[in-house]
Amino acid sequence: EAQVTQNPRYLITVTGKKLTVTCSQNMNHEYMSWYRQDPGLGLRQIYYSMNVEVTDKGDVPEGYKVSRKEKRNFPLILESPSPNQTSLYFCASSLSPGRGYYEQYFGPGTRLTVT
Amino acid sequence: GIQVEQSPPDLILQEGANSTLRCNFSDSVNNLQWFHQNPWGQLINLFYIPSGTKQNGRLSATTVATERYSLLYISSSQTTDSGVYFCAVEANTGNQFYFGTGTSLTVIP
Repeated sequence: EAQVTQNPRYLITVTGKKLTVTCSQNMNHEYMSWYRQDPGLGLRQIYYSMNVEVTDKGDVPEGYKVSRKEKRNFPLILESPSPNQTSLYFCASSLSPGRGYYEQYFGPGTRLTVT
Repeated sequence: GIQVEQSPPDLILQEGANSTLRCNFSDSVNNLQWFHQNPWGQLINLFYIPSGTKQNGRLSATTVATERYSLLYISSSQTTDSGVYFCAVEANTGNQFYFGTGTSLTVIP
């Protein structure tokens, strides 16, 4: 089954404790992206990756890191989480923009609480 | 970045009613999608529609790219249509995606 998976689905952590949220897709998509969703703000793009070893900042990259060492995986790293990073996080993937039909497919979300 | 505005922000419908949701965007786009976020938080693709009209069952969408708006039509609404509907666009100046703040739909029996 074609899908985007994220782990963990729920996470409660404390300020300053490094964490990684994993994202994996099995559709051989070049483009992958991370979003955060906050009440009243919709989804905002954190980082995106056009392909392996190619990453770019989205609208809200501060406090986050990403890496794209393999095509299928795109982990989101919070080196020193703070309470304002409490949010619902989504990973998404698609064929590369510009290659025609490239709708984004989303993972199930990771609800992160930083205390 | 590109501005995406959705209207109305909230909508309450009686089951069986029809509705139109609107998405306005501030610049030319390569990609436009409509999503439904169900009450469990899952984002479900509805339409990939950078231009033209598409239909899928009781739902249809139209994007008029030259006038920078898209419409999502829901006919004969059902309680399972409840949730938040998002429009997302990719500006043709880059590879970033921008979401609107959504329309929260509640369908009551």
